[in-house]
Amino acid sequence: AQSVTQLGSHVSVSEGALVLLRCNYSSSVPPYLFWYVQYPNQGLQLLLKYTTGATLVKGINGFEAEFKKSETSFHLTKPSAHMSDAAEYFCAVIQGAQKLVFGQGTRLTINP
Amino acid sequence: DVKVTQSSRYLVKRTGEKVFLECVQDMDHENMFWYRQDPGLGLRLIYFSYDVKMKEKGDIPEGYSVSREKKERFSLILESASTNQTSMYLCASSDWGVSAGNTIYFGEGSWLTVV
Repeated sequence: AQSVTQLGSHVSVSEGALVLLRCNYSSSVPPYLFWYVQYPNQGLQLLLKYTTGATLVKGINGFEAEFKKSETSFHLTKPSAHMSDAAEYFCAVIQGAQKLVFGQGTRLTINP
Repeated sequence: DVKVTQSSRYLVKRTGEKVFLECVQDMDHENMFWYRQDPGLGLRLIYFSYDVKMKEKGDIPEGYSVSREKKERFSLILESASTNQTSMYLCASSDWGVSAGNTIYFGEGSWLTVV
């Protein structure tokens, strides 16, 4: 069965600093991978997804992620953090035909 | 614009009550899902439906049931609410072919407190 592990339940960075949120996956087949963001008291919003093709995926709000098969990783990055990036971030992988399996989530805090 | 609507954002129910959480999507999607979100556990799938009147158990179906009588509506039912079902519940929908990369869209969530 497919699974994802997010390293670090809480990450704190300064405004303007690099954001790096880590995600490793386990999959017996080529994975489809997703990053979702959840702002306070809201549902989940898709940031970006990797299906096939280019391994560097660009998403909304300046985020990007790189699929690295050799490292079974799909880490999320943003060059310069903004206060509005404070949220919880979830990595997810497809399981079977129709289901998403989520990691435990990483709460990102931005310090002024 | 894509819309998944959960009718109740905040509910407080008593132990033993029957609870209905309603979800409606306006995108003519085949698939609909109910997830439960708890701190440190991420999102866990309760049930999903891939067609009207069709359903499959997810990872944590115990204590829950679902109903899908119309394509756009998917209900989660707690037959006898218990305090360990206090949680955030998220409804989602997608077009057929999630494995092909189709996006799953989420509602804003329903906070349920069982006292």
